[in-house]
Amino acid sequence: EAGVAQSPRYKIIEKRQSVAFWCNPISGHATLYWYQQILGQGPKLLIQFQNNGVVDDSQLPKDRFSAERLKGVDSTLKIQPAKLEDSAVYLCASSLGLAGGLIGEQFFGPGTRLTVL
Amino acid sequence: AQSVTQPDIHITVSEGASLELRCNYSYGATPYLFWYVQSPGQGLQLLLKYFSGDTLVQGIKGFEAEFKRSQSSFNLRKPSVHWSDAAEYFCAVAGKGFKTIFGAGTRLFVKA
Repeated sequence: EAGVAQSPRYKIIEKRQSVAFWCNPISGHATLYWYQQILGQGPKLLIQFQNNGVVDDSQLPKDRFSAERLKGVDSTLKIQPAKLEDSAVYLCASSLGLAGGLIGEQFFGPGTRLTVL
Repeated sequence: AQSVTQPDIHITVSEGASLELRCNYSYGATPYLFWYVQSPGQGLQLLLKYFSGDTLVQGIKGFEAEFKRSQSSFNLRKPSVHWSDAAEYFCAVAGKGFKTIFGAGTRLFVKA
């Protein structure tokens, strides 16, 4: 079974530029998550999708970050314009979903390391 | 509000020695608790999880964790550490809405 795919693996941009990350979850997984992991910290949830609807985006800086999951499968996360403090690893994860009222195990991709200069 | 505290930023143990990584959580009801491991350049991998029932849970790679409600703790243990266990370990809690909150992590160093 293929895992969660992310691209690119690394990205270096200058501040005020824009960047986009792509995630393809495990086939059949209804729930998709984007996390931001700053060096030395644990992952912080940015946005959670259930199929193509947003479940939680309370910690997404909506003035510069956006995410979509148009067909309920793959997803893109965009930052425009980027700031120095956006330097982090962006992790995508997926799970079967909230079936049966139990939280599903999250499977993580390898992440995209973003450096903003 | 949910929160997770991992008091130890890093721990060093000798290969073959036992290991205990501490995790304390804050949540108003019975939480869902997890331990993940992250090796350098890799994504997070689930080691084990607690939802309900037996408070001692077994995971992969010989790890186990014990849920202690009275202490709001979910410590991770392994009886004999291998060099390949060197990694970063994250405790996480999920509650209402299944939003998952991660701790800051504990980096494990294993010395020969």
